[in-house]
Amino acid sequence: QVQLQQSGAELVKPGSSVKISCKASGYTFTSYGMHWIKQQPGNGLEWIGWIYPGNGNTKYNQKFNGKATLTADKSSSTAYMQLSSLTSEDSAVYFCARQGNSGYYFDYWGQGVMVTVSS
Amino acid sequence: DIVLTQSPALAVSLGQRATISCRASQSVSTSSYTLMHWYQQKPGDQPKLLIYDASNLASGIPARFSGSGSGTDFTLTINPVQADDVATYYCQQSRELPLTFGSGTKLEIK
Repeated sequence: QVQLQQSGAELVKPGSSVKISCKASGYTFTSYGMHWIKQQPGNGLEWIGWIYPGNGNTKYNQKFNGKATLTADKSSSTAYMQLSSLTSEDSAVYFCARQGNSGYYFDYWGQGVMVTVSS
Repeated sequence: DIVLTQSPALAVSLGQRATISCRASQSVSTSSYTLMHWYQQKPGDQPKLLIYDASNLASGIPARFSGSGSGTDFTLTINPVQADDVATYYCQQSRELPLTFGSGTKLEIK
């Protein structure tokens, strides 16, 4: 069965960077896009961007240009998102989600990673 | 960006029909597809796909859930509502990048 296992919660200092992971199993990692979505406490969902692990192509929400960097390691079927120059506005839960078979929707989600930015 | 507008909350009695609406700031339909999708999120959990392409039921989702609509106006219907359906429901469009979500409708039981 398809599973997306994300790394653990992070407590990081303002101005630093953090890299979170999403390990995929149960399907061919290189055949499906992987998306990243942000959810601030009590708030809705915000699309960050997308990577196609088959060729490494990425597409970002302009709002996150310079903030998020998406990569993927085919050998370990793991997608990564690095967030840089962190501020309190980056405190949120971050989900990875697999792209659906027929379009830009999300058929499987990771459990989410809570990132807290605090000094 | 395409803005998706949802009502904040809806209260329905058990066994009744719940109708959750989503309005897009511009059409999300193409000549071939209607690019609106629906998710359910329970507190502390990740979202779950319910409906894709406006009306297609995702795998493993009970037939109590259905979706309809085209252009700018969409509806998620739950009939009959069960206690386990208490959650926040989000619409999401994929007509244009950036992909955007509605602000969510919280379903409560009367």
